[in-house]
Amino acid sequence: GQNIDQPTEMTATEGAIVQINCTYQTSGFNGLFWYQQHAGEAPTFLSYNVLDGLEEKGRFSSFLSRSKGYSYLLLKELQMKDSASYLCAAYQAGTALIFGKGTTLSVSS
Amino acid sequence: DTGVSQDPRHKITKRGQNVTFRCDPISEHNRLYWYRQTLGQGPEFLTYFQNEAQLEKSRLLSDRFSAERPKGSFSTLEIQRTEQGDSAMYLCASSQQGLAGGEQFFGPGTRLTVL
Repeated sequence: GQNIDQPTEMTATEGAIVQINCTYQTSGFNGLFWYQQHAGEAPTFLSYNVLDGLEEKGRFSSFLSRSKGYSYLLLKELQMKDSASYLCAAYQAGTALIFGKGTTLSVSS
Repeated sequence: DTGVSQDPRHKITKRGQNVTFRCDPISEHNRLYWYRQTLGQGPEFLTYFQNEAQLEKSRLLSDRFSAERPKGSFSTLEIQRTEQGDSAMYLCASSQQGLAGGEQFFGPGTRLTVL
């Protein structure tokens, strides 16, 4: 079967660091994507991991462990504009992205 | 090319009517995907095309849903005999096969309301 789990909501303050976890069970797994989605808008790409390890991209980093079926997105130096939904998605080779329900992050001052 | 575009952005219809949505992908992308998203959920995959070939359609929600990409460029998604449960955001995405494992670029979506 296919299953993507991530927390429903998280809160944090400006300037802090937050880690959003994601666990997955997907057949034909071929990579893990993170997307950001502001309310009423389309998802936008943040990161992609296909091999184990950490990928760093400015204030955002993403980690993957294929053996554990686990990923996380790390956001540093949080800003108010980071308040959004963060979607974890497993890429199934030959098909498409299987998304989790998303984690709504609220950043307060 | 400024990205994936979708038309219309909003559609209100009455139950039982047919609706058709259009998606124009990024021009050099050969893959095109349709997703549906309801409130509080992540996007749910429906179908995808590589060029004009529809390679996966088993995830379409019922036989009332159909999609085409006749010339391998734009695509249409049709819902026949709409039901209130079809109310959702319909997202289109495109990608170039072989790049970044298929990083997908999303359009702004068509929000469907069935009364």
